[in-house]
Amino acid sequence: QSALTQPASVSGSPGQSITISCTGTGSDVGGYNYVSWYQQHPGKAPKLMIYDVSNRPSGVSNRFSGSKSGKTASLTISGLQAEDEADYYCSSYTSISTFVFGTGTRVTVL
Amino acid sequence: QLQLQESGPGLVKPSETLSLTCIVSGGPISSSSSFWDWIRQPPGEGLEWIGSIYYTGTTQYNPSLKSRLTMSVDTSKNQFSLKLNSVTAADTAVYYCARHLSSWYWFDPWGQGTLVTVSS
Repeated sequence: QSALTQPASVSGSPGQSITISCTGTGSDVGGYNYVSWYQQHPGKAPKLMIYDVSNRPSGVSNRFSGSKSGKTASLTISGLQAEDEADYYCSSYTSISTFVFGTGTRVTVL
Repeated sequence: QLQLQESGPGLVKPSETLSLTCIVSGGPISSSSSFWDWIRQPPGEGLEWIGSIYYTGTTQYNPSLKSRLTMSVDTSKNQFSLKLNSVTAADTAVYYCARHLSSWYWFDPWGQGTLVTVSS
C-alpha cells in the first residue's frame, strides 16, 4: 500500500485560510468515508483533529474542517494562528482492512 | 482517561529483534470495542501504520512488514507488545502505540512514543 499524497508544505499569514489535500485511490480515500487528520508539533505525538472526513473531536477548534471529493480529502484551517504551525497527516482505512497515512504537510505561519 | 505508554530498549543491533510493550491504563485492554495499534515514524519522515491487535489475539498487519512482525496481547498485565525481527537501520524510528475503536477508523489516544535506534 502506498502512502497517501500530500503537499510537502503549505504556508499562510495569520488570519488567512489554508487547505491541505490528501490524495489516495479507490481502495482507500475514494472507497470509504474513513479519513482522519492529525496535527503533530515537534517532538510530540500526533493529535486527532478530524475523523470520518469532516467530524471534529470535542475540544478541537472549529477553525479546523474537513471534506472529501472522490479520491481527495482536504483539511482547511481558517483564521490561521501561530499555534497552528505544525505537521499534518491524513490517514485512511483501506480495502484490505489496514490503514495508510499521508506523506505529511508542514504548515508554516508567516 | 485512557493512557498508553511505550517501553522497551532504545538501541537494537542490526539483524536482531526489536521488542516493545505498550502499557494501557485507565481502562481494560479487553474492552470489546478496542483495537490496539502500533505506528512508527522514522526521524524526519512521515507516519507508518505497523499493525493492530484485538484482545483475543486477532491481528492485522501492514503487508510490507508482515513477514517480520508479531504482535501479542497480555490481558493480565493490561498491555500489548510488538516484535519486529531481522531489523536494519531502516527500522530506526519513534514507535507509537495507539487505539482505534471497532468500526471507528481513527487513532485516539496515542502514547508519547519511544525512539528505537538500530545500530551496532
